[in-house]
Amino acid sequence: GAGVSQSPSNKVTEKGKDVELRCDPISGHTALYWYRQSLGQGLEFLIYFQGNSAPDKSGLPSDRFSAERTGGSVSTLTIQRTQQEDSAVYLCASSFGRTANEKLFFGSGTQLSVL
Amino acid sequence: QQQVKQSPQSLIVQKGGISIINCAYENTAFDYFPWYQQFPGKGPALLIAIRPDVSEKKEGRFTISFNKSAKQFSLHIMDSQPGDSATYFCAASVAPGNTGKLIFGQGTTLQVKP
Repeated sequence: GAGVSQSPSNKVTEKGKDVELRCDPISGHTALYWYRQSLGQGLEFLIYFQGNSAPDKSGLPSDRFSAERTGGSVSTLTIQRTQQEDSAVYLCASSFGRTANEKLFFGSGTQLSVL
Repeated sequence: QQQVKQSPQSLIVQKGGISIINCAYENTAFDYFPWYQQFPGKGPALLIAIRPDVSEKKEGRFTISFNKSAKQFSLHIMDSQPGDSATYFCAASVAPGNTGKLIFGQGTTLQVKP
């Protein structure tokens, strides 16, 4: 596709339910990132994938959060037993992953609302 | 030490005026400082970036000023236009071994009045 695609664009769930958020990066991009944007807050780094290397999970806020990337392309962010404080916009970004300090291409995000 | 502090939180400027957004950091290992622009309902997009070996970078109406000794950098938008109304994020990262993991500021919501 032309850009980073995220689905769903909006997700409303009940507290305690599990949710899966999907990210389809730009073709050829080997680096993929998940960020979280809470109302009035900056972008909080969650996790980073680069090729076949072990992911950098240092930003995941709790063990309820996990992510995987299949075949070096599509990524899924899973939040188990959702809490109200998980409500935020979850943004995915990708880059070529060839050099340091590359431009990140962001998707439009998934707005998650936990009731 | 990993924080990037951004101010102001919101800014209102008249059309044609200068918009100035400031950021400060503590980690002296940071050596890449991009600014991202985000319109409502969209993801952030890279606007302009600077490395600390220069004190200023200009692209069209957008200028980054960088003060390494003060550990501060700022975005100046000259001749601000209503179409510039958006949220702006400064960010920083460390180049050697950098994974592209950016540390973002809290964001500044800019409104340019016609």
